[in-house]
Amino acid sequence: LAKTTQPISMDSYEGQEVNITCSHNNIATNDYITWYQQFPSQGPRFIIQGYKTKVTNEVASLFIPADRKSSTLSLPRVSLSDTAVYYCLVGDRRAETGTASKLTFGTGTRLQVTL
Amino acid sequence: NAGVTQTPKFRVLKTGQSMTLLCAQDMNHEYMYWYRQDPGMGLRLIHYSVGEGTTAKGEVPDGYNVSRLKKQNFLLGLESAAPSQTSVYFCASSYLRSGGYSNQPQHFGDGTRLSIL
Repeated sequence: LAKTTQPISMDSYEGQEVNITCSHNNIATNDYITWYQQFPSQGPRFIIQGYKTKVTNEVASLFIPADRKSSTLSLPRVSLSDTAVYYCLVGDRRAETGTASKLTFGTGTRLQVTL
Repeated sequence: NAGVTQTPKFRVLKTGQSMTLLCAQDMNHEYMYWYRQDPGMGLRLIHYSVGEGTTAKGEVPDGYNVSRLKKQNFLLGLESAAPSQTSVYFCASSYLRSGGYSNQPQHFGDGTRLSIL
């Protein structure tokens, strides 16, 4: 599994755009990139997933450059409720029959949003 | 639509006691997982299952056993609890997508907080 590196913490004011970058220099051809969000006392929640270029959903955007050695999660106009830990994970998108995605969660990026 | 439900939410055990954590999902997912999360750390995979009747070891399986007798349930057992197993335990599930893309986003429960004295 490719190792990921992301900032330990970030601070932002409400209403700003937040970009969290994750480094994954050893990403393999079949690996895809997934971001999860975790609030205190809750399980992680899937945010977005991508393989290359840009992916956008109702919550966030994911930017992946051509070399795929990094990715950036973009949260538009954050609010206090976006205060959470954000995890970047890299995993093989085609598991062999009978196996499953064994994701490795790092320590994540703790985002603190204030007024 | 409950998603992934974990029972119990909290539990305190004495060293040497045994217990079973229950995970139930109502999404008809093929894959289920058990993780533990220690303070200030990410999640570590204990065991997982790719289908009813099958289980496999994850990153930190020692001291735990699992069973998947029904597709919707995944049980995590501690035969003889130790203080090092004090942690928050998360269960997750994901579906098998046709065409070979089996690694789909995982849906997590809200955890079981287990303290072992």
